[in-house]
Amino acid sequence: AQSVAQPEDQVNVAEGNPLTVKCTYSVSGNPYLFWYVQYPNRGLQFLLKYITGDNLVKGSYGFEAEFNKSQTSFHLKKPSALVSDSALYFCAVRDGGSWGKLQFGAGTQVVVTP
Amino acid sequence: NAGVTQTPKFQVLKTGQSMTLQCAQDMNHNSMYWYRQDPGMGLRLIYYSASEGTTDKGEVPNGYNVSRLNKREFSLRLESAAPSQTSVYFCASSPSGTDNQPQHFGDGTRLSIL
Repeated sequence: AQSVAQPEDQVNVAEGNPLTVKCTYSVSGNPYLFWYVQYPNRGLQFLLKYITGDNLVKGSYGFEAEFNKSQTSFHLKKPSALVSDSALYFCAVRDGGSWGKLQFGAGTQVVVTP
Repeated sequence: NAGVTQTPKFQVLKTGQSMTLQCAQDMNHNSMYWYRQDPGMGLRLIYYSASEGTTDKGEVPNGYNVSRLNKREFSLRLESAAPSQTSVYFCASSPSGTDNQPQHFGDGTRLSIL
């Protein structure tokens, strides 16, 4: 079985400050990890993924994520947040050794204030 | 450059009515998915289609049926709508379920059952 936990329902950050959105996962095989962002009344948009290789993954809109195997974490980061980063963020995992059903976290609402 | 297109965008039904949600993708993807999104619960997989001609149950299939009409189209049917099916429904597609590519999402259908 696979599962994802996003421990924070909401993250508040001032514009220009660093942004971190936390994600931990559980999967029996090798994890394929994804971050998605959702803006109001829109579908999910892919930000970045970790499959293998370098633990620091860079993605769209200046976001990056760090894969930590020992802590089973995949936290999303942005060095300097923008008001336009305010959105709902989802972490997702699937077992790389099996067919691709994704398990999503509950989501974290990010609010960036000017 | 449409990607995944869902119709309708909004719908209000009465308990017991039936309806079909439509989804089409123009990316030549093999795999398609139906999710529902409820507050605080992330996205939960209803049904999926690994390839044209196949469909399988996901996490929450009760009360729903699906049809993979062809490679492009994957519809979701509610035979007798219930208030518990009030949700936002998302269709997604991916090249296949065994690769490491992300799923692409439509903008959703917002469904209310009275």
